[in-house]
Amino acid sequence: DQQVKQNSPSLSVQEGRISILNCDYTNSMFDYFLWYKKYPAEGPTFLISISSIKDKNEDGRFTVFLNKSAKHLSLHIVPSQPGDSAVYFCAASDFIRNRGTYKYIFGTGTRLKVLA
Amino acid sequence: DAGVTQSPTHLIKTRGQHVTLRCSPISGHKSVSWYQQVLGQGPQFIFQYYEKEERGRGNFPDRFSARQFPNYSSELNVNALLLGDSALYLCASSGGGGRRTGNTIYFGEGSWLTVV
Repeated sequence: DQQVKQNSPSLSVQEGRISILNCDYTNSMFDYFLWYKKYPAEGPTFLISISSIKDKNEDGRFTVFLNKSAKHLSLHIVPSQPGDSAVYFCAASDFIRNRGTYKYIFGTGTRLKVLA
Repeated sequence: DAGVTQSPTHLIKTRGQHVTLRCSPISGHKSVSWYQQVLGQGPQFIFQYYEKEERGRGNFPDRFSARQFPNYSSELNVNALLLGDSALYLCASSGGGGRRTGNTIYFGEGSWLTVV
């Protein structure tokens, strides 16, 4: 039962254009969502996050949109640069009361290739 | 400021052997989590520790164990290694327990384990 899904394993975009990475989730209890970027042979790097009380969060070239009714979030990168080529993971978290901490579920990732 | 540090970065073990992986969280972070990542998948949750107590355990066999020390560093131990344990093992740290809006986890570079 995959609670967080990234249905596009790969995406190619021309340099300077917009990259849109999508993520769907099934658990309505998730209240905090994160995007990570991962280069080969490195650990995932935190990119941007959004709380369920918002529908948009922007940080420079990166914007995350959240549609709670559709249980869908997306990451927009504008303009895309060759250095953005990496695997992008979305993650969703909810607070587990009997643990007193958050639980994180990751998608399977989307490999973005930005063509020069 | 140092991020999450993990050691060793790469190691090769033989089936049946034991391995210990180490992690130091970001200064001030009290929660450490361990994840396993295999090719083509997102990070899979193994353990979470907060204030030296286990706060969560993923769907991994009892061959996997972990602990957190008073300085908040952590060890992941895997006994009786199998070929299928070959993966990238990621440590993540966060501020810790308690409910607050948004709780980002930050990953280390990972430990690449190859079991032959």
